[in-house]
Amino acid sequence: EEQLVESGGGLVQPGGSLRLSCTGSGFNLRDHYMDWVRQAPGKGLEWVGRIRDKGNAYTTEYAASVRGRFTISRDDSKNSLFLQMDSLKTEDTAVYYCARVYSSAWTRSFFDLWGPGTLVPVSS
Amino acid sequence: DIQLTQSPSFLSASLRDRVTLTCRASQDIRTSLAWYQQKPGKAPDLLMYAASTLQSGVPSRFSGSGSGTEFTLTISSLQPEDSATYYCQQLVSYPLTFGGGTKVEIK
Repeated sequence: EEQLVESGGGLVQPGGSLRLSCTGSGFNLRDHYMDWVRQAPGKGLEWVGRIRDKGNAYTTEYAASVRGRFTISRDDSKNSLFLQMDSLKTEDTAVYYCARVYSSAWTRSFFDLWGPGTLVPVSS
Repeated sequence: DIQLTQSPSFLSASLRDRVTLTCRASQDIRTSLAWYQQKPGKAPDLLMYAASTLQSGVPSRFSGSGSGTEFTLTISSLQPEDSATYYCQQLVSYPLTFGGGTKVEIK
């Protein structure tokens, strides 16, 4: 069974840092672009960012709200994806999901597999 | 950024009703649209992509249509398990954006 599982969430103070991990099983993460999506409590979905595959030099894209503070990386040898979050703000409080991108082609770049999410509360 | 506006934001309907959800884009996105279903406390699930292609395993009572700036998701006969929030997502340009969601309740 194909699965994604996030870890590393937890309470952090404003201005602090946290690193989330996402581990895939049942498929090769190396074959896919991977994204992070977040959802503030009671709110809708917000795309955070993307990391492309090795063939595309692991290049990244970010939402304006996190650019310069968040960094996405991956370790394909461990089938893992990471989200380094620095300079956290209270408005970053959310459930963070990792998501598999079906295909690198734009028309097929939807998310066909999601992790269950990990909660990151940012509060003093 | 491409804005997606979903309507209505809340919908209450009876079992076996036909319901239609709308997603409007602020610019032409051709058919580069996906729909997701999210139940409380769970991650979203992919329902539809390329505006009208049903994801494998999704019941055939779900259908999608549209192109350009206006899209619809239709549930032909509402079932109890369809109670959820539905989101559209554009796949044309960064930043990828989602609509605000439509919450569907069973009366």
